[in-house]
This record gives sequence, C-alpha cells and structure tokens, in this order.
Amino acid sequence: GENVEQHPSTLSVQEGDSAVIKCTYSDSASNYFPWYKQELGKGPQLIIDIRSNVGEKKDQRIAVTLNKTAKHFSLHITETQPEDSAVYFCAASLAYDYKLSFGAGTTVTVRA
Amino acid sequence: NAGVTQTPKFQVLKTGQSMTLQCAQDMNHEYMSWYRQDPGMGLRLIHYSVGAGITDQGEVPNGYNVSRSTTEDFPLRLLSAAPSQTSVYFCASSSTDNNEQFFGPGTRLTVL
Repeated sequence: GENVEQHPSTLSVQEGDSAVIKCTYSDSASNYFPWYKQELGKGPQLIIDIRSNVGEKKDQRIAVTLNKTAKHFSLHITETQPEDSAVYFCAASLAYDYKLSFGAGTTVTVRA
Repeated sequence: NAGVTQTPKFQVLKTGQSMTLQCAQDMNHEYMSWYRQDPGMGLRLIHYSVGAGITDQGEVPNGYNVSRSTTEDFPLRLLSAAPSQTSVYFCASSSTDNNEQFFGPGTRLTVL
C-alpha cells in the first residue's frame, strides 16, 4: 500500500517568516494530495489540495507544490501568524479512491 | 448543517468491554470512514463505506466492526476492547463528487 513520509516532525518559526513541510509518497499511481490542519482538540480540516495534473496551487498565504517524478510534495506557508500554530498532515490517495494515507504530522509553532 | 458529529467525546473502558462509537453526517455524503490517530503515526484508516449497505476494511481493521444501514450513520463497534485500542478516533465523510473529506471532532478512548 501507499507509504507517506513527512518531515520535519516539529517546526518552530518566527512570526512573519515562512514555513515549509515536505512529504514523499511511494505509490506512483497516487494522484490526489491534500493537506490538513489540526488544531488542539479538533478534527483535521482540509486547507489545500493538489491533483497530479498541476505542479503548484496557491490560496492566499499557503501553497502546495508537487513533483510527480520525484514523488514528493510540499506545503509552504508565508507570512506566518500565531493562528498558523497547529499540527499539519499531508496525505495521498488515488483520485476518487477516498482511502487516504497520511503522513505522521508536523507540529508547527509560530513564535510571536 | 452540523457537518460530521461524533459521540461520545471521551470514553474509558476496561479490557474486554464492548462499546459503539457513533458517527453521523447531515451532508448526504456517500462515503464515510473511520480513522484512529496515535502519537507519531498520523491517521490510519480502520473501515470505510461507499454507501448504505456497503463496507470494507482499511489499513487496521482488526478488533473493529462497522455497519452502514443509512446514508447518515456509520457506527464503529469494539466487541472486546484491548489496551492497544486506546486512541483518538475520527469519523470522516465525503461526497463522491470530490475527494474532500470532512472530519468529526473525535472520540478519545482509553482502555484500561
């Protein structure tokens, strides 16, 4: 099955700086890559996703890049704010397969 | 819409006891799933359903049963709880139109 690895496990950044989280996947057939944000005591919430037919997608301060050849994708958060502090998970699946394989998560702390 | 709801929020069981974790969604989503979240391991798929009357196993199904008698509800049953089932359980749902999965707030289960 699909194996998703995520790095780093923890990330501390100064407010206003950028944060980058990287994931690799093993199944070359995977073509849907979502990112979830989980705040303390809550369920994960989708913040951005990308499909294999595009290499980059942006939504305000967050962006995701995908390199299918190397089988890795990354989340970029610019101008970080205290409310960006959370655990972030990457995941991978076949499109419309619904079975997500998750990375282990990255705890992001934004220092004021 | 309430989205995805889960009950109870917290539960403590003794080894060998049984219980059912409830999950309901009011978005008329066809796809529903159960994940467990353990420290350093991300979320792992337990069981999923693509519609009423249809269920299938995920990555870690042992010790859990599910059924899907209605579109709205997808309960998860532990027949004989074990300490290894101590975890946080999340239910999720998705429309078959796209992959975006909506997660519930979670149930924190402790098995003594």
